[in-house]
Amino acid sequence: KAGVTQTPRYLIKTRGQQVTLSCSPISGHRSVSWYQQTPGQGLQFLFEYFSETQRNKGNFPGRFSGRQFSNSRSEMNVSTLELGDSALYLCASSEEGANYGYTFGSGTRLTVV
Amino acid sequence: DQQVKQNSPSLSVQEGRISILNCDYTNSMFDYFLWYKKYPAEGPTFLISISSIKDKNEDGRFTVFLNKSAKHLSLHIVPSQPGDSAVYFCAAKTTNAGKSTFGDGTTLTVKP
Repeated sequence: KAGVTQTPRYLIKTRGQQVTLSCSPISGHRSVSWYQQTPGQGLQFLFEYFSETQRNKGNFPGRFSGRQFSNSRSEMNVSTLELGDSALYLCASSEEGANYGYTFGSGTRLTVV
Repeated sequence: DQQVKQNSPSLSVQEGRISILNCDYTNSMFDYFLWYKKYPAEGPTFLISISSIKDKNEDGRFTVFLNKSAKHLSLHIVPSQPGDSAVYFCAAKTTNAGKSTFGDGTTLTVKP
């Protein structure tokens, strides 16, 4: 099986711009979650999508949004970028069920200047 | 309020010895616990998990122990190898929740 694919790998944006990150989950995985990792921080949960519906949402401002398509691919959008949004954004997919761990992509490294 | 805590930011052990990584949690609703390993420039990789109805789960060199009364779990790696050097994240979830709550990670260095 192909792994979780995130594009692009690296991105540099300026403050005030918006950005869209893409994630293709493992085939057959209907749950896709997004996490933000900043230096010295653990993984902060952004949101989870399941069958095109947002099922869980973390404590991030409304500038962070996402969606999932019928083929389970997911996109994450950040509008009005701030310097503090610079981070590694990780997408993860999983099978349904508590005993299944995530399969993560390699992440998108976003730098806001 | 950080619900999952890894109090040791780093750990250094000698090759061949045991590595013990610790994790504490506060939410008694968590009923599934997972460990992930992360190398630089890669996403985390799922290692091992344990259900709250068990107190031990073993997979090769990796064993996870759960102490529900203390809300504490630990990952034991025996014997440790230089390739085990990575950041280890503890995570917890509830059965019907899609999201996992992660600790801040512990950087393990295994010296040859």
